[in-house]
Amino acid sequence: GAVVSQHPSWVICKSGTSVKIECRSLDFQATTMFWYRQFPKQSLMLMATSNEGSKATYEQGVEKDKFLINHASLTLSTLTVTSAHPEDSSFYICSAVGTGTTYEQYFGPGTRLTVT
Amino acid sequence: AQSVSQHNHHVILSEAASLELGCNYSYGGTVNLFWYVQYPGQHLQLLLKYFSGDPLVKGIKGFEAEFIKSKFSFNLRKPSVQWSDTAEYFCAVRLGNNQGGKLIFGQGTELSVKP
Repeated sequence: GAVVSQHPSWVICKSGTSVKIECRSLDFQATTMFWYRQFPKQSLMLMATSNEGSKATYEQGVEKDKFLINHASLTLSTLTVTSAHPEDSSFYICSAVGTGTTYEQYFGPGTRLTVT
Repeated sequence: AQSVSQHNHHVILSEAASLELGCNYSYGGTVNLFWYVQYPGQHLQLLLKYFSGDPLVKGIKGFEAEFIKSKFSFNLRKPSVQWSDTAEYFCAVRLGNNQGGKLIFGQGTELSVKP
């Protein structure tokens, strides 16, 4: 089946620094990738949708200058949290849709970000 | 705005009990419907999906769901739960037939199964 990986699985950073999270489709070409944020005991909130080679589409209320998304290839999308603050601490999950996936979204394992 | 509502925040059952988790959505057009499960410490996995055709769909691990268009509902059922079904369950809706489109998730239902 389609596999999506994320790296790192967890990261701790200091307030004011930036951190990059990678999302990779391992055995299929991801034409579209999605980035979600999940707070403890809550649902997934879509942050943005990215299509390979084009700019990401951000959901209302998500700061595009703070959460930079790059979908540079058909197997890799990155989310960079710039000038991170403690309130950015969360669980970030990516998913991917692409050729051969019957257009289901396949989810990565998530990245736990803690900003101190 | 379109939304997905899951009625139960936390459900506690004993093993062998029957399960039904409610899911309603607000959108009058064509939808694709999904149920995902998230086991503790693991990523989301697809339980089942409905795109078209028979409104009663069967998924993995003995789960099934029924799409009732008139009620805008897609409830998840399992006749006999096991301790290993303890997890968080999410209903999700994709609007229209945009197969690469975004999902709208419900709030999630935590299922605890007592051995």
